[in-house]
This record gives sequence, C-alpha cells and structure tokens, in this order.
Amino acid sequence: GAGVSQSPSNKVTEKGKDVELRCDPISGHTALYWYRQSLGQGLEFLIYFQGNSAPDKSGLPSDRFSAERTGGSVSTLTIQRTQQEDSAVYLCASSFVQGFTEAFFGQGTRLTVV
Amino acid sequence: GIQVEQSPPDLILQEGANSTLRCNFSDSVNNLQWFHQNPWGQLINLFYIPSGTKQNGRLSATTVATERYSLLYISSSQTTDSGVYFCAVVRDDKIIFGKGTRLHILP
Repeated sequence: GAGVSQSPSNKVTEKGKDVELRCDPISGHTALYWYRQSLGQGLEFLIYFQGNSAPDKSGLPSDRFSAERTGGSVSTLTIQRTQQEDSAVYLCASSFVQGFTEAFFGQGTRLTVV
Repeated sequence: GIQVEQSPPDLILQEGANSTLRCNFSDSVNNLQWFHQNPWGQLINLFYIPSGTKQNGRLSATTVATERYSLLYISSSQTTDSGVYFCAVVRDDKIIFGKGTRLHILP
C-alpha cells in the first residue's frame, strides 16, 4: 500500500477482554515496529520484526502482550485480559531494512479500556 | 543504552517567528529522523538525516554525527506548525525517541 495502515483506528473495550490490533506495512518493507504512546507521554518501544522473526521482545510490558507477523507482511498485536493501564495509542512503523533506512508510521490505534 | 535529549521541552512563539530545536544523542547512531506529531497524533516524517543538511520549504535540518547532535530549523512559523517534534535515532535495532519539543504557534 501507499502507507502504513493500522486498524481499527479506535477501539473501546471492557476490562478483561482480549483485543487484536492490526498493522499492514508498506509493501516491500521487511522491518516492522510496534510502539505505545500513553496520553501526553513519549513513545515506548514494544517489539520489532525483521521478516517474520522478532529477535527482541523485551519491550513487551507483560505476558498479556504478544505479537506475530505472518508472510513477512501484516502484523497483529494481541493484548489479553486488558487492563485500564493498557489504554494508549498503539503505533506501528515499517522500513525497508531495520536501522538503516527511513521508517514510516501508521496513524495509530487508540485503545480505551473501560 | 543510548540517550536522546531534546531541547527546549516547550516553546511558545508568535506566528512568523523562527525557531531552532536541538537533539543531542550520547553515542554513534545508524540514522536519525525528525518527526512532527500533529494534534491528531499522526507522526509525520520531516527529515531522514544521518548526517549533513537538508531543506524542505520553511524547514531545514542539520546533523553533525561526529559531535552527536542534530538541529531542526523552522522559519516563518505558522499555526499549523504547532505540535510535538520528535527526534529519533536507531540503535540495536530499536528506534529510540527523544521526549520531544512541544511547539505552540500563536496567531
């Protein structure tokens, strides 16, 4: 696609429910990143993928968070048993090659846990 | 890990004024980008600038990699320039962001 696409744009969920957030990177980009931004805060690194593999999962805040990437393209971030502190904007970015080329961000998914 | 520091944290200017935003980083990096986060939260790419100088309209940026800093210049500010400006570097396969400079342009 022309840009990084994330869905849904907004998600309101009840505490304790599971949610899935989707990221469709720019075609041909092999590196994919997930970030989280709480209200008024900076960007917190969650995880990155090179192809389908995720060498570094250290940024995931708890074992309720998981992510996968299939076919080297679309990625899904899953949050199980959501908590109110999970409320944030979740941003996805992609680049041609990790670390050495320009990264582009999607518009984000605003998650609200009530 | 690498530290990315931006200054000033907040800046309030009158429309038409010029400004310089600074980004210092504590170690060598593979690349550096400047982003503008608009009021709707979208991160807009401004410059991909590991070194050297680039210009795009009223905006320009300079990175001196050997001295570990980058500068973003905004000339003739407009209200649409308001938002948060982030500097980001890549280190150990992570994009590491500074805390940003929040810019308010008053009409």
